[in-house]
Amino acid sequence: GAVVSQHPSWVICKSGTSVKIECRSLDFQATTMFWYRQFPKQSLMLMATSNEGSKATYEQGVEKDKFLINHASLTLSTLTVTSAHPEDSSFYICSARGGSLSEQYFGPGTRLTVT
Amino acid sequence: GENVEQHPSTLSVQEGDSAVIKCTYSDSASNYFPWYKQELGKRPQLIIDIRSNVGEKKDQRIAVTLNKTAKHFSLHITETQPEDSAVYFCAASRGDYKLSFGAGTTVTVRA
Repeated sequence: GAVVSQHPSWVICKSGTSVKIECRSLDFQATTMFWYRQFPKQSLMLMATSNEGSKATYEQGVEKDKFLINHASLTLSTLTVTSAHPEDSSFYICSARGGSLSEQYFGPGTRLTVT
Repeated sequence: GENVEQHPSTLSVQEGDSAVIKCTYSDSASNYFPWYKQELGKRPQLIIDIRSNVGEKKDQRIAVTLNKTAKHFSLHITETQPEDSAVYFCAASRGDYKLSFGAGTTVTVRA
């Protein structure tokens, strides 16, 4: 199947700093990428949807100025958590899909810890 | 938006027995229903999916059934093995490809 990578796999940052997470589709062109957040022992919650070359669409309750998403190419999307706080600590997972396929391929996730 | 409910939240089965997880969805426009298996700290992995024009799909020990009228779908795992222990999520999607996930079911297979 298609491969999606994420970098970094884990990151620790201080409160008030910003963190960038990269999501790459390695062997296919991702027309759409999705960003999810997963708290311990909870389900995946969709944060935003991004299409290459256009602005991301955020789900209700997700602050677009805090979670900056850029999808500059068909293989790369980035999520920047700005002015991170301890409550932003979570497992962030991206997924990607291409063409007319419904199936989403998930990245391995990034564990963010804000101290 | 779409609301997906999943039951049970935990399921313990004896190795070799069957496991069944049920989900309901609210949006009649949903047309794609994948199931994911997630091990601790890992990415969700698609194990089977079904589209709204199909009532049942099987892949070896795993099967999914869909009842569009009742708006529910189920995952069936037969002959369970210890490696089937994980958290399983159902999801539903409309034509916009956005996935709404159920709360998850922690499956434990007892040897």
